[in-house]
Amino acid sequence: DSGVTQTPKHLITATGQRVTLRCSPRSGDLSVYWYQQSLDQGLQFLIQYYNGEERAKGNILERFSAQQFPDLHSELNLSSLELGDSALYFCASSVGPMDTDTQYFGPGTRLTVL
Amino acid sequence: AQSVTQPDIHITVSEGASLELRCNYSYGATPYLFWYVQSPGQGLQLLLKYFSGDTLVQGIKGFEAEFKRSQSSFNLRKPSVHWSDAAEYFCAVGAYTGGFKTIFGAGTRLFVKA
Repeated sequence: DSGVTQTPKHLITATGQRVTLRCSPRSGDLSVYWYQQSLDQGLQFLIQYYNGEERAKGNILERFSAQQFPDLHSELNLSSLELGDSALYFCASSVGPMDTDTQYFGPGTRLTVL
Repeated sequence: AQSVTQPDIHITVSEGASLELRCNYSYGATPYLFWYVQSPGQGLQLLLKYFSGDTLVQGIKGFEAEFKRSQSSFNLRKPSVHWSDAAEYFCAVGAYTGGFKTIFGAGTRLFVKA
């Protein structure tokens, strides 16, 4: 158990809908990262937050947005969902903003768009 | 552009045999390199990482990796594989492109036969 929690574990929804994925980092960790893992794209970095501020952005679509709250939990919002958004979404956390900090991954949220 | 190549989609080894998983990267500067393991239904776990210094890096679970700049490689090794090592292994490079981003390879699935 990494100490990173993600809810829900599974999510099934329809095209065009909007969903919110939630992540609680390990106690004491200030950085949160979001990743998408799909069969065709592999594992891709989406976005990083550190202590409430966006720190780095990867291949995140404009239909997706994220934020980190004062209690350090983070939410990833996916809107206007398409079939291709079906994937496993991972959250990871690390103690600081440093690139060398070890990232601890949650178990993921499996999103299925029908 | 930064990239990571894992040439082997899957590998099968006998329990007790040695293991080497290949990883080649493309990055202009000194890379940050990582190996992660993902067991079925789980998130990723960091096995080891390289930033600088000794090119032979020791990790958890008896794994090691060697950084070879001349070959742009960071191969993962284990002298004796256990059945519990069956999982998917991801090599990754940390790159500075508009912030620090982790770029993953496609993964190598390891099967262990008795």
